[in-house]
Amino acid sequence: AQSVSQHNHHVILSEAASLELGCNYSYGGTVNLFWYVQYPGQHLQLLLKYFSGDPLVKGIKGFEAEFIKSKFSFNLRKPSVQWSDTAEYFCAVNSYNTDKLIFGTGTRLQVFP
Amino acid sequence: NAGVMQNPRHLVRRRGQEARLRCSPMKGHSHVYWYRQLPEEGLKFMVYLQKENIIDESGMPKERFSAEFPKEGPSILRIQQVVRGDSAAYFCASSPDRAREKLFFGSGTQLSVL
Repeated sequence: AQSVSQHNHHVILSEAASLELGCNYSYGGTVNLFWYVQYPGQHLQLLLKYFSGDPLVKGIKGFEAEFIKSKFSFNLRKPSVQWSDTAEYFCAVNSYNTDKLIFGTGTRLQVFP
Repeated sequence: NAGVMQNPRHLVRRRGQEARLRCSPMKGHSHVYWYRQLPEEGLKFMVYLQKENIIDESGMPKERFSAEFPKEGPSILRIQQVVRGDSAAYFCASSPDRAREKLFFGSGTQLSVL
């Protein structure tokens, strides 16, 4: 069965610090990969996605993620975080032949000014 | 263009009562997904529906839970005889087709069972 692991449950950073959130998945076939963000009191929003092509994916708000097939990873990065990035971040995966997304447990990011 | 609308935002029920959660997909979307988020856990897939059809209910508990997406009106997730363990945030997502990149989520319904 597919699964997604997010190793960092809670990350605390100061503004301008660099961010990297880990995401590993277990599935040997072709996968689609996603990062979602949930700001306090709001719905989930898509940050970025990988379907094929360039493994370095650029998303909104300066976020990017790199798909490393050999490591089954899709880590999220941002060179310099802002206070407004405080939110919960979810990694998700689905194989091309299923309709449901499998989510990780999420990482809560707190950015202090 | 309104987003995915879920109501109520908060629902309080006593043990044994029924909970009905509604989801109105975005205009033009005919595919609806329900997810549940328990405290300290990620979102867990529950059910995938298209208009008048249940496509995948592999994540639905075997008893007390049911879902529908009628030809007219919102999708309904129904929980009968709620128990404290049903307390969670329930999210609905919709898409115009099976393409996952067009999935949009609602703000969720927080169910609290007393």
